[in-house]
Amino acid sequence: GAVVSQHPSRVICKSGTSVKIECRSLDFQATTMFWYRQFPKQSLMLMATSNEGSKATYEQGVEKDKFLINHASLTLSTLTVTSAHPEDSSFYICSARGFGLSGEQYFGPGTRLTVT
Amino acid sequence: AQSVTQLGSHVSVSEGALVLLRCNYSSSVPPYLFWYVQYPNQGLQLLLKYTTGATLVKGINGFEAEFKKSETSFHLTKPSAHMSDAAEYFCAVSMNRDDKIIFGKGTRLHILP
Repeated sequence: GAVVSQHPSRVICKSGTSVKIECRSLDFQATTMFWYRQFPKQSLMLMATSNEGSKATYEQGVEKDKFLINHASLTLSTLTVTSAHPEDSSFYICSARGFGLSGEQYFGPGTRLTVT
Repeated sequence: AQSVTQLGSHVSVSEGALVLLRCNYSSSVPPYLFWYVQYPNQGLQLLLKYTTGATLVKGINGFEAEFKKSETSFHLTKPSAHMSDAAEYFCAVSMNRDDKIIFGKGTRLHILP
């Protein structure tokens, strides 16, 4: 139980285009979802926290107009990287927390974004 | 503010030897502490967590960690390393079950044959 999926697993896009990453909780309802980015050989940096039906809370230094987060349902959150640039290339990981799961966050497998 | 310091970005141990990955935390409130493992190009898997109660926490794959308040530490150990333990390990802290998790920089564990 408590499986989180991400789609796509890898994506390559051209500079200036936008790309959407989906995060789904497959067998539980996620009241809160978190988005992280991870640069090569570095730790996870929290980008934003989203609660279903409300606006995401972004961490300091994260551009909310560039990284659009939508949490429209209890099983789906999306991260859209707008006008992507090569410096946005990274590994993006989502996690989800739901009802009755002791507060534990379950992590998705990650999405490797490469901007050319 | 909370933070986590992992000592040693790389640790190498021989197969069958003791694994010890060090983690020290800073927190203004009693912390929730976690250890996660990450295999290449994958997400994170929870190894174990400390919330309250018993300070020695047992996790999956034979790992355990001990919360030592006096030393502000939460070191991860495993009595006998296996080749499959080679991965990146992250120590993490949060203020409570509903708070965001702050990760350390990670320690890459290498297992020598």
